[in-house]
Amino acid sequence: QVQLQESGPGLVKPSGTLSLTCAVSSGSISSSNWWSWVRQAPGKGLEWIGQIYQSGGPNYSPSLKSRVTISVDKSENQLSLNLSSVTAADTAIYYCARNWGKGFDLWGQGTMVIVSS
Amino acid sequence: QSALTQPASVSGSPGQSITISCTGTTSDVGGYNFVSWYQQHPGKAPKLMIYDVSNRPSGVSDRFSGSKSGNTASLTISGLQAEDEADYYCSSYTNTISYVFGTGTKVTVL
Repeated sequence: QVQLQESGPGLVKPSGTLSLTCAVSSGSISSSNWWSWVRQAPGKGLEWIGQIYQSGGPNYSPSLKSRVTISVDKSENQLSLNLSSVTAADTAIYYCARNWGKGFDLWGQGTMVIVSS
Repeated sequence: QSALTQPASVSGSPGQSITISCTGTTSDVGGYNFVSWYQQHPGKAPKLMIYDVSNRPSGVSDRFSGSKSGNTASLTISGLQAEDEADYYCSSYTNTISYVFGTGTKVTVL
């Protein structure tokens, strides 16, 4: 069955750029129309970051739009997240998820990113 | 986009039914039949329990049901079991081609 695995640096300096990838295994990233990134600050709720169609065309959270870039690499069967100008408020567990209709039916295990100098 | 409003906590005894509310606006919950619900156990990724207001994915117990009235959606758990103790989040599609999650509800089985 399809699995998602997030990866990337666990520590990012303030004002830097957070870069994560989500590898899709046992299936093709082209098999689903949309893929999303969601984050969860320690002890807090879920926050949707953005989504991308399997052939491009992202949509972003209005509150993060100026700092977020989501892309798809079909050859690598993965999606990526870049979040610029990070602050401590961006410290969170970052999840990638598969959109299913207007919900998210498959999630990665998540990767913790801490923003600190 | 403000987070949807959920009660911080709901509790019930085994076998009882509980209902979690999720209140939004006409720009999200009230404007679309695209509300979903997620169960999250500590240290785990969220799990989809309900999509499109009232539909259950394959494999989810029929003790979980969803509904919506106006700007408020609800998740009902019937026959409460110890394994249902978790955090629950609602989510809605919005009029800005985005999604918003609820504030989260901690369910405690007494």
